[in-house]
Amino acid sequence: NAGVTQTPKFRVLKTGQSMTLLCAQDMNHEYMYWYRQDPGMGLRLIHYSVGEGTTAKGEVPDGYNVSRLKKQNFLLGLESAAPSQTSVYFCASSYPSGSGNEQFFGPGTRLTVL
Amino acid sequence: AQSVTQLGSHVSVSEGALVLLRCNYSSSVPPYLFWYVQYPNQGLQLLLKYTSAATLVKGINDFEAEFKKSETSFHLTKPSAHMSDAAEYFCAVSGYWGKLQFGAGTQVVVTP
Repeated sequence: NAGVTQTPKFRVLKTGQSMTLLCAQDMNHEYMYWYRQDPGMGLRLIHYSVGEGTTAKGEVPDGYNVSRLKKQNFLLGLESAAPSQTSVYFCASSYPSGSGNEQFFGPGTRLTVL
Repeated sequence: AQSVTQLGSHVSVSEGALVLLRCNYSSSVPPYLFWYVQYPNQGLQLLLKYTSAATLVKGINDFEAEFKKSETSFHLTKPSAHMSDAAEYFCAVSGYWGKLQFGAGTQVVVTP
């Protein structure tokens, strides 16, 4: 099993450009999450999904959109990138049923917005 | 609302010495608590979790944590540090739909 994979690994954008980050998991997990990691702030939840076709906002959703058309994939979109979106983005997935389930994390995407 | 506070953004320990990382949480419901480790340029890996089964939780690589409700704490310890323990450590509390609220992280440096 590959677990959770993310593409691309690195990306540099100019302000105003758009892009999509892809997360894929092969563990048949219902729940998927997108976090961003910034120095001194830990990880903060951007959006999450509790099943195919469903999405919800997390703590810092502004400037991002997501889609979960297939159970195994969770896409994160930036419509008009801003320098404040320079960050490392992590995708995670887990089984449902309660809040004590481990989240499995991807390796991350390092995004720089100039 | 739930929150996590990790005391100390950087901790330096000597190889073979005790590792102690502090985590305090705030939660309006009985919490599920986690410690994750992040090695350089990698994703997060679960060290251990508390889900109310036992207050002393053992994890991988000889790490353990004790849940103390009266102190709202979930401190992480390891009796003897190894060079390979150099990493960043995150405490997290889980809410509805499994959403994680992370602390700011503690960077551990191990010196020979």
